[in-house]
Amino acid sequence: AQSVTQLDSQVPVFEEAPVELRCNYSSSVSVYLFWYVQYPNQGLQLLLKYLSGSTLVKGINGFEAEFNKSQTSFHLRKPSVHISDTAEYFCAVSGSARQLTFGSGTQLTVLP
Amino acid sequence: DAGVIQSPRHEVTEMGQEVTLRCKPISGHNSLFWYRQTMMRGLELLIYFNNNVPIDDSGMPEDRFSAKMPNASFSTLKIQPSEPRDSAVYFCASSARTSGGTTDTQYFGPGTRLTVL
Repeated sequence: AQSVTQLDSQVPVFEEAPVELRCNYSSSVSVYLFWYVQYPNQGLQLLLKYLSGSTLVKGINGFEAEFNKSQTSFHLRKPSVHISDTAEYFCAVSGSARQLTFGSGTQLTVLP
Repeated sequence: DAGVIQSPRHEVTEMGQEVTLRCKPISGHNSLFWYRQTMMRGLELLIYFNNNVPIDDSGMPEDRFSAKMPNASFSTLKIQPSEPRDSAVYFCASSARTSGGTTDTQYFGPGTRLTVL
């Protein structure tokens, strides 16, 4: 079985400031990790994914995430956020069953 | 590519009525997933299909829910009879299976917002 914990339900941050959204997972098998973004009244859009290889993964819209196996984490970062980054962000894990298990989500609000 | 298409986008119905949600996956994708999103429970996987065959329906809440995939380009999720607690946003997602067996990216539709009065 696998699970995902997103430690912060809400993260307010000022425009142009850096942000980190935290994600920890647990799994008994090798995992694949994903971050999705959901804008209001829309479906989920893939930001980035880790399948194998380099532990630093770059995604769309300037986001990146680092896979840390020893800490079972996959935190999402952006060095400078924009108002348009305001959305809900979901971390997800998939193991051998190829099904996604989602975290509870983090609402990122970028303030002017 | 048109992406995953879901219809209707919004559905308001009365308790006891039958509700049918529809999904058209991305052409060429052979896995299809139905999710439900609520404030209380977040995103839950209800059922997924591979090559039109249901693989895991353990997330289907009860017998009132059923899903079908008669062909590679169409799937339905039916609730009969509907209840107020079924009110949620229902998402469909599809993915393409790779020969290496690695986990494939799921592409989500815009969702159907269901309200049962």
